[in-house]
Amino acid sequence: GAGVSQTPSNKVTEKGKYVELRCDPISGHTALYWYRQSLGQGPEFLIYFQGTGAADDSGLPNDRFFAVRPEGSVSTLKIQRTERGDSAVYLCASSLMTAEQYFGPGTRLTVT
Amino acid sequence: SQQGEEDPQALSIQEGENATMNCSYKTSINNLQWYRQNSGRGLVHLILIRSNEREKHSGRLRVTLDTSKKSSSLLITASRAADTASYFCATVSRGANNLFFGTGTRLTVIP
Repeated sequence: GAGVSQTPSNKVTEKGKYVELRCDPISGHTALYWYRQSLGQGPEFLIYFQGTGAADDSGLPNDRFFAVRPEGSVSTLKIQRTERGDSAVYLCASSLMTAEQYFGPGTRLTVT
Repeated sequence: SQQGEEDPQALSIQEGENATMNCSYKTSINNLQWYRQNSGRGLVHLILIRSNEREKHSGRLRVTLDTSKKSSSLLITASRAADTASYFCATVSRGANNLFFGTGTRLTVIP
């Protein structure tokens, strides 16, 4: 069956620009997570959705980062005024409640 | 900040040998999970062990959990070249749902 998909797979943008990263979770998974992984590190939690609402956004680094999940399925992570330090792989995962999380392939964001 | 620390950071073994990776964490947990990541790809869930469990097996994988020491180990038996990857432990704290990942162990299995 279809797994978690993320688009685009790679995104190169200039410092100061706005970017949107998309995540399509596994059908029926109510929980959706965003993580960020820098080179040589483990993923770091950003935000968790249960249905349409952000149940925990404590991992978002600052107010330039925002995420939505308007219909409880697809989610978009939005980054305003990108900085070079935002360069990383952004990973999305979905799950059925408190169970193992299924990860997408990630979007590699490069801010030049 | 990441919750866990893994040891060793890198491990290189011959095919057929066993590989052991260790993970330590800081807070009370609901469960601990191990994930595998091939270079440049997404993470694959390997095994989940709950806080009231001490040991779990899945195929060639054996995971132990010692909540008194806040540590876990992952043993891969009879390693294969295809096991070459980075391995991460991740914890789910009590009352939370998100994963806190360790720093990972880079395993290389030499054919």
